[in-house]
Amino acid sequence: DSGVTQTPKHLITATGQRVTLRCSPRSGDLSVYWYQQSLDQGLQFLIQYYNGEERAKGNILERFSAQQFPDLHSELNLSSLELGDSALYFCASSVETGTEAFFGQGTRLTVV
Amino acid sequence: AQSVTQPDIHITVSEGASLELRCNYSYGATPYLFWYVQSPGQGLQLLLKYFSGDTLVQGIKGFEAEFKRSQSSFNLRKPSVHWSDAAEYFCAVGLEYGNKLVFGAGTILRVKS
Repeated sequence: DSGVTQTPKHLITATGQRVTLRCSPRSGDLSVYWYQQSLDQGLQFLIQYYNGEERAKGNILERFSAQQFPDLHSELNLSSLELGDSALYFCASSVETGTEAFFGQGTRLTVV
Repeated sequence: AQSVTQPDIHITVSEGASLELRCNYSYGATPYLFWYVQSPGQGLQLLLKYFSGDTLVQGIKGFEAEFKRSQSSFNLRKPSVHWSDAAEYFCAVGLEYGNKLVFGAGTILRVKS
């Protein structure tokens, strides 16, 4: 158990809908990262927050957004969902930037 | 652009045999390098990391990796594979002081008895 908690574990939704994925980092970790794992794109970095502020951005679509709250948990919001958004979404956390990240078990999103 | 190449999509080894998984990276600066393992239905578990210093790093579960700057490689090794090592292994390079991980495509390890 990495100490990073993601909910829900599975999510099935229809095209055009909006979903929110939640991540609770390890106790004491200030950085939260979101990654997408799909069959065609592999593991891709989406976005990082550090202590509530956006720190780094990757290949995140405009339909996707994230935030980190004062209690350090983070949410990834995915809207206007398309079939191609079906993937495993991972959250990871680290104490600070430049240290190793610990991954949650992921949320498997299926868009039908 | 930064990239990580894992040339072997699948590798099959016999239980008890040695293992080497290859990883090559392309990155202009000194890299932060990682190996993660993913078992079916599980998240990613960190096996080991290289930030600086000794180029041979030891990790969990008996794994080690060697950073070779001249070859831009960070190969993962284990002297004797156990059936429980069957999983998918990902090499990653950390950009911007390790903030953003760029992953390779992964190598699926099968262990035959």
